Order: sequence, then C-alpha cells, then structure tokens
Amino acid sequence: GENVEQHPSTLSVQEGDSAVIKCTYSDSASNYFPWYKQELGKGPQLIIDIRSNVGEKKDQRIAVTLNKTAKHFSLHITETQPEDSAVYFCAAPATIAGNQFYFGTGTSLTVIP
Amino acid sequence: ETGVTQSPTHLIKTRGQQVTLRCSSQSGHNTVSWYQQALGQGPQFIFQYYREEENGRGNFPPRFSGLQFPNYSSELNVNALELDDSALYLCASGLWVGNEQFFGPGTRLTVL
Repeated sequence: GENVEQHPSTLSVQEGDSAVIKCTYSDSASNYFPWYKQELGKGPQLIIDIRSNVGEKKDQRIAVTLNKTAKHFSLHITETQPEDSAVYFCAAPATIAGNQFYFGTGTSLTVIP
Repeated sequence: ETGVTQSPTHLIKTRGQQVTLRCSSQSGHNTVSWYQQALGQGPQFIFQYYREEENGRGNFPPRFSGLQFPNYSSELNVNALELDDSALYLCASGLWVGNEQFFGPGTRLTVL
C-alpha cells in the first residue's frame, strides 16, 4: 500500500514569510494529491490539490508542486498571515479510484505576528 | 464550510460498549468515507460506502462496521469499544467519479 511521509512536523514563521511543507509517497501509480488544512476543533478542509499530469498549481497565496520522478510533492504558502496557523496534512490515494486516502502525519504551522 | 454534517459532536462511552456515529453527506455526493484521527495524527481510512455497499476498507477489525442509506447518509458502528478507539471520527463525502473528498467536523469519541 501507499506510504506517505510528511515533514516538518512543526513549523514557525514570521508573518509575511513563506512556509514550505514536503511530502513523499511510495506508489508510482498515485495520480492525485490533496492538501488539507485543519483548524482546532474542525474537520480537515481541502485547500488545494494537484493531479499527476501537471507539475505545479497555484491558488492565490497557496501553491503545490509535484515531482513524479522523485515521488514528492510540496505545499508552498507565501505572505503568511496569522490565520494560516493550523495543522496541514498531505494525502495520497490508497486505490486506483483515487478517492480513498493515506494521510501524512501533519505539520503544525504557527505564523507569528 | 462543507455541507457534510456529523452527530453527535462529542460522545463518552465505557470499554465494551457499542457506539453509532452518524453522517449526512454533502448534497449531490454519492460516496461516504469514514476516517479515524487519533490525537496528533493524520486521519486513518476505515472504509468507504458507495451504493449502500462497502467499497474498500483500511486496516480496521470487523467490529468497525457501517451503513449507507438511500439518501446517502451513513452510520459508523463500533462494537466492543476499546480504550484505543478514543479518537476523532471523520466522515467525508464525494463523488464516485472524482477524487475530491469533503470532510465533516467530526465526532470526538472518548472511551473510558
């Protein structure tokens, strides 16, 4: 089965700086990679995703890059704001259907005002 | 906010008891998946339901079971509760043809 590793486990940045979270996966057949943001007391919220036929995707201050050869993908947050503070999870598919997922262990991001 | 709702919000049970958690999918979605999230960990896939049948199961014993109803709502049942079952239980809905999964707020289960 798929194995997803996520680093770092904690990350502190000054407001306005960039944050980068990295994940690796093991199954070369995996073709869809979502990122979730989980705030305290809430369920995970899908913030961005990428499919294996593209190398990068951006949505305002958030971007995701994918390196299929190295089997890793990264979340980039620019111009961080205090409301970006949360736990972020990456995920990779458990099946060909791509709608059942293995999750990383999470990165707790703190943005210091 | 997604359109996925879960009930109850919190639940306390004792070891050996049984529990039923409920989920209402986002309108238009036809799959429902359940995940277990232990404190400080990522969600772990329990199983998925589509067309009222189980479609895929993670590494969870048979005492974890579920149902999906014709209106696409779902239940997660756990028998013979163990202390390690204490966790946040998340429901996610989506489309059979599609990747995106949208999570509800979860049910916090505490087993004493």
